[in-house]
Amino acid sequence: DTAVSQTPKYLVTQMGNDKSIKCEQNLGHDTMYWYKQDSKKFLKIMFSYNNKELIINETVPNRFSPKSPDKAHLNLHINSLELGDSAVYFCASSYRTTNTEAFFGQGTRLTVV
Amino acid sequence: AQSVTQPDIHITVSEGASLELRCNYSYGATPYLFWYVQSPGQGLQLLLKYFSGDTLVQGIKGFEAEFKRSQSSFNLRKPSVHWSDAAEYFCAVEGGSTLGRLYFGRGTQLTVWP
Repeated sequence: DTAVSQTPKYLVTQMGNDKSIKCEQNLGHDTMYWYKQDSKKFLKIMFSYNNKELIINETVPNRFSPKSPDKAHLNLHINSLELGDSAVYFCASSYRTTNTEAFFGQGTRLTVV
Repeated sequence: AQSVTQPDIHITVSEGASLELRCNYSYGATPYLFWYVQSPGQGLQLLLKYFSGDTLVQGIKGFEAEFKRSQSSFNLRKPSVHWSDAAEYFCAVEGGSTLGRLYFGRGTQLTVWP
């Protein structure tokens, strides 16, 4: 069974569209994250939810809106997509405690044309 | 502020040769340190982690890393590289006021010659 799964794996869309990426984890973790990997492979955190509560909200355009219906799911909705949004988006999960490690999904490659 | 530096953008080694990937971190307190590997088109897989205790940590796939507080380093090593080790390697530090938040280095691309 896949521990952290994201859908879709690839997403190609036109500028101005709205799209969503879904993430699910079956590890029983209480915290989930979205990271963005840019074209130079730099990874930076965007959001984090702990038990459905937003605990990290980096400086991200408000076109990006995370939603966590329960602690096993964290979705990312992006409005009015721009060319600069093209990147790989990774979902991750962990326990919110010390001495823990994050497990990552396979990533969603978003291409805006 | 927390930060991670991986000085080598790209490293090329021959199969069977030894490997060392460098990582330096900036963090005021005792850091939690990680190495992740990303194969082409894949997600991030944890190789190893350091939380406390023995400064030499063993990971999967024959990798090890040594935490040196005096040098603020956490270098990744492997005595004999296999062609399947070709991938992108990321060093990360967890720190700050929010548990679980990772700060990544920019990665080192490893190429392995047959």
